[in-house]
Amino acid sequence: KAGVTQTPRYLIKTRGQQVTLSCSPISGHRSVSWYQQTPGQGLQFLFEYFSETQRNKGNFPGRFSGRQFSNSRSEMNVSTLELGDSALYLCASSFQDTRSSRLAYNEQFFGPGTRLTVL
Amino acid sequence: GQNIDQPTEMTATEGAIVQINCTYQTSGFNGLFWYQQHAGEAPTFLSYNVLDGLEEKGRFSSFLSRSKGYSYLLLKELQMKDSASYLCAVRSASGGSYIPTFGRGTSLIVHP
Repeated sequence: KAGVTQTPRYLIKTRGQQVTLSCSPISGHRSVSWYQQTPGQGLQFLFEYFSETQRNKGNFPGRFSGRQFSNSRSEMNVSTLELGDSALYLCASSFQDTRSSRLAYNEQFFGPGTRLTVL
Repeated sequence: GQNIDQPTEMTATEGAIVQINCTYQTSGFNGLFWYQQHAGEAPTFLSYNVLDGLEEKGRFSSFLSRSKGYSYLLLKELQMKDSASYLCAVRSASGGSYIPTFGRGTSLIVHP
């Protein structure tokens, strides 16, 4: 079974631009979560989508948005890029959404990430 | 807010046992996770605890005490490949959302 794929793997943008990152989950997985990882802040949760609906959202400004398509593929968009947005953006897929798996953790599988550099 | 503390770095010898501690302060606790992340790679799931006690999975075990806000990851029979960063993450329920908060990670160095 193919793993989680993310495109592009590397991206360089300038301040003020916008960027769209893509994530294809493992076949059959309907939940996709997005994370930002930086040396300074560590790994931080952005949002989770399940069946095309945003189910959970972290504490990020509205410049960060996402969506999920009927085939479970997800995109994340960052508008008006800032230098501080330079980071590794990871997506993770799982079979169920977080709310359905309180006592039995629904394992998340991470993709390789997209390395975004903002100049 | 959420606060998660874990040691920045630990070293251990191949074949030994190491315990990585994690303390947390949170409201709406809804589970604690441990992940392993090798340099330049994505995190991989190791364990999940939502009830008090010990969960064992091969060479790795994870313990949780909700009343103490404390967890540890125990790695037995250490191998060189266990050199990695270990992330503790707490999931909290807030306003209908379930938000995972990660610690900064513990860099484990295993030497011969």
